[in-house]
Amino acid sequence: QVHLQQSGPGLVKPSETLSLTCNVSGASINSYYWSWIRQSPERGLEWIGHFHSSVSISYNPSLLSRGTISRDFSRNQFSLKIVSVTAADTAVYYCARAYYDAAGFGFDLWGPGTRVTVSS
Amino acid sequence: VLTQSPGTLSLSPGQVATLFCRASQSFQRSYLAWYQQRGGQPPRLILQGESTRAAGVPDRFSGGGSGTDFILTIGGVEPEDAAVYYCQQFGGGTWTFGQGTKVEVK
Repeated sequence: QVHLQQSGPGLVKPSETLSLTCNVSGASINSYYWSWIRQSPERGLEWIGHFHSSVSISYNPSLLSRGTISRDFSRNQFSLKIVSVTAADTAVYYCARAYYDAAGFGFDLWGPGTRVTVSS
Repeated sequence: VLTQSPGTLSLSPGQVATLFCRASQSFQRSYLAWYQQRGGQPPRLILQGESTRAAGVPDRFSGGGSGTDFILTIGGVEPEDAAVYYCQQFGGGTWTFGQGTKVEVK
């Protein structure tokens, strides 16, 4: 059974760095695309970025180059850092897998979500 | 940009729900997915590749459309179908979600 476990602080001060980790069990992050997605009432569901083992990491331009996704294939986990956070980064953050086959694409696996609040 | 309509759909059990998703640019139709989200839960994949049901999804859920228009149909809604439904595209460099359609079942 596949399980995505998220960890990281739920409160970050303005101008500091948001850091989250997604630990994957039951599936390898060497296959398919692995993403970070966030959701807020103001912005709805927003794709932050993704990686695939064979291609470079991609980011949503809306992050203005503040985001970094890193991966540790030996530990089967990946992380997100967003620097210089503001209140606009307050959201529920999800890690997810983008699965694809002959039928097409879909985010078939999701972490439980981490509610991150940016506040002093 | 994906634009969903209507914003809210209020139905009685057994009625057919038709949800629309219009893309501002064309892309390969297999790059479109639909999700269901109930309160406090992460989204759940309903349809991948426009019309292929994910594991465990009842066959009353179906997808279709043409051109840049995509449609999710729930053929006979049940109380557990009450949720917000999102379309999402994997085409182009930036993956995006629609703003959602809320389905109420009364």
